[in-house]
Amino acid sequence: GIQVEQSPPDLILQEGANSTLRCNFSDSVNNLQWFHQNPWGQLINLFYIPSGTKQNGRLSATTVATERYSLLYISSSQTTDSGVYFCAALGNTPLVFGKGTRLSVIA
Amino acid sequence: GAGVSQSPSNKVTEKGKDVELRCDPISGHTALYWYRQSLGQGLEFLIYFQGNSAPDKSGLPSDRFSAERTGGSVSTLTIQRTQQEDSAVYLCASSRVLGNEQFFGPGTRLTVL
Repeated sequence: GIQVEQSPPDLILQEGANSTLRCNFSDSVNNLQWFHQNPWGQLINLFYIPSGTKQNGRLSATTVATERYSLLYISSSQTTDSGVYFCAALGNTPLVFGKGTRLSVIA
Repeated sequence: GAGVSQSPSNKVTEKGKDVELRCDPISGHTALYWYRQSLGQGLEFLIYFQGNSAPDKSGLPSDRFSAERTGGSVSTLTIQRTQQEDSAVYLCASSRVLGNEQFFGPGTRLTVL
């Protein structure tokens, strides 16, 4: 099955800084999603992005399906951005999640 | 409803007891999924339902786990003879059809003493 790897595993940012999170996947995918898991455990949908680029406010994502990676950009980070960011890929089976990037934004 | 709902939000049980976890998907979504997340880990797929097709049970960790979906809507995940290693957060998700964007519920935190 598909393998999903995320990097870095942990990231500490000063408020206002920018960051890039990476997701590599081992095979062709039909679906790729980015989630933010807040401190209360809720998974919040950020992007559904099997290919191309999307932007939503301070967040944007790019998936290059032919090279099997996706990037999540966070600009002007805020303390409320803290939490774990998961990438999840769907091939022929339901979503396979990476282990996540734990982001801490400090004031 | 507006989103995926799950109940109960928390469940504490004794080893050996059976538990039932409930999931209400987004109205109109034909695909429903169950995952679990152990402490500090990513999400592990358990089972999915698509319409009236037979469910894909390939992720269920043992025969103590089962799930059903009645009327193409509400789903119940049952764990029989619970063990301490079953302690985790159980998450339900739904999508319009299989392969579309998945939306998650708030989860049920299960603690087996």
